[in-house]
Amino acid sequence: DIQMTQSPSTLSASVGDRVTITCRASQSISDWLAWYQQKPGKVPKLLIYKASSLASGVPSRFSGSGSGTHGTEFTLTISSLQPDDFATYYCQQYNSFGPGTKVDIK
Amino acid sequence: QITLKESGPTLVKPTQTLTLTCTFSGFSLSTITVAVGWIRQPPGKALEWLALIYWDDDKRYSPSLKSRLTITKDTSKNQVVLTMTNMDPVDTATYYCARYTSDSFDYWGQGTLVTVSS
Repeated sequence: DIQMTQSPSTLSASVGDRVTITCRASQSISDWLAWYQQKPGKVPKLLIYKASSLASGVPSRFSGSGSGTHGTEFTLTISSLQPDDFATYYCQQYNSFGPGTKVDIK
Repeated sequence: QITLKESGPTLVKPTQTLTLTCTFSGFSLSTITVAVGWIRQPPGKALEWLALIYWDDDKRYSPSLKSRLTITKDTSKNQVVLTMTNMDPVDTATYYCARYTSDSFDYWGQGTLVTVSS
């Protein structure tokens, strides 16, 4: 099974900061990676699919990249953090979710 | 408009079997490349992928839970059913169903909290 890891587990940032979250797969997954945002008590929301495609209605400050030299490293970038972006972010590859990265207020 | 909604018991006893139904609208599970999956989230913890059923009735399960899970679909009723046997308190979680396409879950149900307790 492919295992997904994320770093950092928690990230403290300020409004306007550029934020980058990394997701690593235990083996090559091509570009089969998605990113989700989840706020407390809310349903996860798809942000990025196929590593770099922006889901419908998602602001352009969100972007995804990867898959690295070996198809194992991916990043989610928020170009300018907004108050609505404080949440937990998960990566997902097929049948595996990462452990999540919580973005909180610095 | 695409919607999904989970239904089922909110409380089950240890060793019982859980049956959850996902009723959806706005898309068809007979459309090529479309699937519906189940994901759960214990309180305060991360998302966990459980199972997926494709338009062609191909079924995939979490390796760690495969022996306890069964996923089925009724295309005419726009429903997907998940059963999980031998429930344990560690299975207490919010259970979500979601549409799967383009290698991602693009629409999610509101989730249903299932508590396992005697």
